[in-house]
Amino acid sequence: SQQGEEDPQALSIQEGENATMNCSYKTSINNLQWYRQNSGRGLVHLILIRSNEREKHSGRLRVTLDTSKKSSSLLITASRAADTASYFCATASSGYALNFGKGTSLLVTP
Amino acid sequence: DGGITQSPKYLFRKEGQNVTLSCEQNLNHDAMYWYRQDPGQGLRLIYYSQIVNDFQKGDIAEGYSVSREKKESFPLTVTSAQKNPTAFYLCASLKTSGNTDTQYFGPGTRLTVL
Repeated sequence: SQQGEEDPQALSIQEGENATMNCSYKTSINNLQWYRQNSGRGLVHLILIRSNEREKHSGRLRVTLDTSKKSSSLLITASRAADTASYFCATASSGYALNFGKGTSLLVTP
Repeated sequence: DGGITQSPKYLFRKEGQNVTLSCEQNLNHDAMYWYRQDPGQGLRLIYYSQIVNDFQKGDIAEGYSVSREKKESFPLTVTSAQKNPTAFYLCASLKTSGNTDTQYFGPGTRLTVL
């Protein structure tokens, strides 16, 4: 079942600006992951944050996790046109299956 | 060159026909997954397998079948019982040992029912 829900559904910004997208989920998790999908392609893993972590960085990506609010945010700094894609959060609970949200569609214009 | 391959990239099927989508991985991953993605939607889990000769239904297994005879392969059959099979199908794999749940995805197969 889809547990994660991203917000906004779509986001349009200019190159150089920061992009922030949010994810809310419903049940307790072991970790939360963010994936990117370019149009018509498979998903690429970006970053994983565990339930006992509050913030994590990877290059221009910054992820936060608030387990009390059951929410996470993904910040992409200094966006580039190549960042144009759909971004999905996925939660891992028990077992090895992930629950994906519907995604945020990001458009970065030159 | 390690990774996950899916074939074919595009597949067309007539109503009433069964069709099998291929997924192969050479990452030595234990678990494999099949997801369905509809336009503007997230991924929904069809089936997954944590070990050879074993698999579990996901959220939308009706009309689909799988097999896991080899660690490297996890083919998905879309049967005529699936009422609305036109979608983008994604296969993924996961190394279950170690402290990570990161899934690696194939490029996908777009199935269109004519």
